[in-house]
Formats: sequence, structure tokens, C-alpha cells
Amino acid sequence: KAGVTQTPRYLIKTRGQQVTLSCSPISGHRSVSWYQQTPGQGLQFLFEYFSETQRNKGNFPGRFSGRQFSNSRSEMNVSTLELGDSALYLCASSLDYNTGELFFGEGSRLTVL
Amino acid sequence: AQSVSQHNHHVILSEAASLELGCNYSYGGTVNLFWYVQYPGQHLQLLLKYFSGDPLVKGIKGFEAEFIKSKFSFNLRKPSVQWSDTAEYFCAVLIQGAQKLVFGQGTRLTINP
Repeated sequence: KAGVTQTPRYLIKTRGQQVTLSCSPISGHRSVSWYQQTPGQGLQFLFEYFSETQRNKGNFPGRFSGRQFSNSRSEMNVSTLELGDSALYLCASSLDYNTGELFFGEGSRLTVL
Repeated sequence: AQSVSQHNHHVILSEAASLELGCNYSYGGTVNLFWYVQYPGQHLQLLLKYFSGDPLVKGIKGFEAEFIKSKFSFNLRKPSVQWSDTAEYFCAVLIQGAQKLVFGQGTRLTINP
């Protein structure tokens, strides 16, 4: 059974640009959540989607957005990139987010110069 | 604000030493508790979980954790660590009703052979 796939794995952008990250969940998983991981901050919750609906979002500015498609694949977008957005962005899928049993991808490492 | 605190940022042990990693959370409602582990170069994965019942839960690779409700703690333990336990460990709390899995900052564990 294929795991959670995130693309791209690495990317470098400059301030002011925008970026789109993609996540393909495990087959059959309808919940997709996104986290930002930075040294010292751990994982910060961005948002969670289920059946194309955003059910919850974290305390991030509106520059961070996401969506989920009918096949459960998800994308997140960050506009007007800032240096502080440099991080590892993790996607996780689950049969039911409320079990807390998430299956994570390897992440997309974003560097903003 | 709800938070999860992991007391140690970096722990260094020798093989066969005993391990205890601390985790405290600040939320008085119903919670489910988790430890996730991220081995070098690998994705984050579930180590163990507590939902209800016996407060001492056992996970993979000989790890266990004890939920002490009065102390709002969920410490991770292992009687004898191995070099292969070198990884970053994250405590996480699922706040029921809030639809949010909150992670601690992580503890980097280094085991010297």
C-alpha cells in the first residue's frame, strides 16, 4: 500500500513569490492535514480537510491556504513568501483525523531566500 | 492557549541506559495522547497512543508511556535504549471537540554506541 506522497520534496523560492505544495494521501483516506515543522517549534497545525471541506485551521495568516480535491488529493499554497516561511511542510492522511492516528509524508522542504 | 510541552530539547544517552522523556499538556478537557517518532531520513510515525483504560500503554520497539491525569503528563519510557532509537520524538495531544492534534516541540534523542 503506497504511503503519503508529497511533491516537490525540495524547493527554493525568493521573498514575495508564491508556492504550491501537493499531497497524495493513502488510498481510502479522506482526511488530509498539513503541518509546518521548524526547529524548536515542533509541528504547527495549518489545516485539516475532509471530503473537500476544511474542517479546522490553525493560527496562520491568510497567506496560507489549501484545498482538497474529490480524489482526496490536497494542495497548500503560500503567497507572498517571507523568510520565516522556510520550513518543512508535512502532510498527513488518516481514515479519521479524530483518532489522532496520522500517516505522514516525508515533507516538502521550502527554503525562502 | 492549549499547549504541549516537552521538557528536554536534546537528550544524549549511552546504549542500555534507561530513558524517560517528559511531556505535559495544558488542557482540562477530554484528550487523547500520542507519541510520534521521526527516525533520521524517515517520515514521522506513530509510536504509541492512549485513548482510555489502563494509563500505562505499550508501543512498538519496547517503548511505553504512562498517563498521569493529575499531572497532565504523558511521559515516554524505555528501560534499555539501543543505538537504533536515535530519533526525534514528539508528544501530541488530540483535543476532543476541537478537531486538532497539537504537537510538542520535539525531543532529539541521541544514543551513543
